[in-house]
Amino acid sequence: NAGVIQTPRHKVTGKGQEATLWCEPISGHSAVFWYRQTIVQGLEFLTYFRNQAPIDDSGMPKERFSAQMPNQSHSTLKIQSTQPQDSAVYLCASSLQFNQDTQYFGPGTRLLVL
Amino acid sequence: GQQVKQSSPSLTVQEGGISILNCDYENDMFDYFAWYKKYPDNSPTLLISVRSNVDKREDGRLTVFLNKSGKHFSLHITASQPEDTAVYLCAADSNYQLIWGSGTKLIIKP
Repeated sequence: NAGVIQTPRHKVTGKGQEATLWCEPISGHSAVFWYRQTIVQGLEFLTYFRNQAPIDDSGMPKERFSAQMPNQSHSTLKIQSTQPQDSAVYLCASSLQFNQDTQYFGPGTRLLVL
Repeated sequence: GQQVKQSSPSLTVQEGGISILNCDYENDMFDYFAWYKKYPDNSPTLLISVRSNVDKREDGRLTVFLNKSGKHFSLHITASQPEDTAVYLCAADSNYQLIWGSGTKLIIKP
């Protein structure tokens, strides 16, 4: 079991560029979560999929951020026109069932927007 | 406002002592409480968790205490070791969305 896989581990973009972050949940897990971690805000919930369907994106900034889960083996978080304040560690987690609370985290993608 | 609070940003404990990490919450609907450990540059790892129908759970050197009336839960680490040095995050959940505390940096001094 490789655990949750996130790629890339590090990404540096220029202001205004697009960044796409990838997450591969643990095989067989039906729930996928995206979080953002900054020093100032700590860990923040962004969005959540259950059986590939978006359930709650209340944590997502309404502009420029979007997330998809085209199949059960991966999810993407896309940030358009990146801004320096988007710099953070983006964490993906998966859990076996949507109401099973043990979430297994990936290593995160450290995004730096210059 | 913050629904889950860790009021101590840092804690230093002598090796061999008991580390006590505290977390307060606001939402009566929370029914799951967890402690995660985060090393620098690593994602959080679940240490121990408890449902709201119990007030204590032990696992080796770790014990979670839940005080529902006080809306408070804590993590006790006995026989603290230098390798316990890390940031500890508490989290609570009422459905599927974990709400996180800001973390407490625990430093174990040899």
